[in-house]
Amino acid sequence: DSGVTQTPKHLITATGQRVTLRCSPRSGDLSVYWYQQSLDQGLQFLIQYYNGEERAKGNILERFSAQQFPDLHSELNLSSLELGDSALYFCASSFGGGGANEQYFGPGTRLTVT
Amino acid sequence: AQSVAQPEDQVNVAEGNPLTVKCTYSVSGNPYLFWYVQYPNRGLQFLLKYITGDNLVKGSYGFEAEFNKSQTSFHLKKPSALVSDSALYFCAVRPSNDYKLSFGAGTTVTVRA
Repeated sequence: DSGVTQTPKHLITATGQRVTLRCSPRSGDLSVYWYQQSLDQGLQFLIQYYNGEERAKGNILERFSAQQFPDLHSELNLSSLELGDSALYFCASSFGGGGANEQYFGPGTRLTVT
Repeated sequence: AQSVAQPEDQVNVAEGNPLTVKCTYSVSGNPYLFWYVQYPNRGLQFLLKYITGDNLVKGSYGFEAEFNKSQTSFHLKKPSALVSDSALYFCAVRPSNDYKLSFGAGTTVTVRA
């Protein structure tokens, strides 16, 4: 168990809908990262927050947004969902915000868009 | 831009034999290199990292990796594989002057009894 929690575990929704994925980092970690894992795209970095501020942005669509709250938990919002958004979404955390820190991954949220 | 290549989709070895999972990378500047393992229906678990210093890095579960700057490689090794090492292995790289972590496509390791 990495200490990173994600809810929900599974999510099934229809095209055009909006969903929110939640992540609680390990105790003491200040950085939260979001990743998307799919068979065709592999593991893609979406976005990083450090102590409430956006730190780095990857291949995140404009339909997606995230935030990190004062208690350091984070939410990833996915809107106008398309079939291609079906994937496993991981949250990870690390103590620092820099590149040398290893990340600890949550169990993921499996999103199915029908 | 950085990138990671894991040239083998699958690696099959017998239990007790040495295990090697290959990784090469491309990055501007100095790299931070990582190996992660993913078991079915689980998140990724950190195995080891190279930041600076000794080219041979030791990590969890008896794994080690060797950083080779001239060949831009960071191969993962285990002297004696176990059936329980069967999993999906990811190599990742991050430039020292950037925050974005890029993953390879992953290598499925199967260790047969």
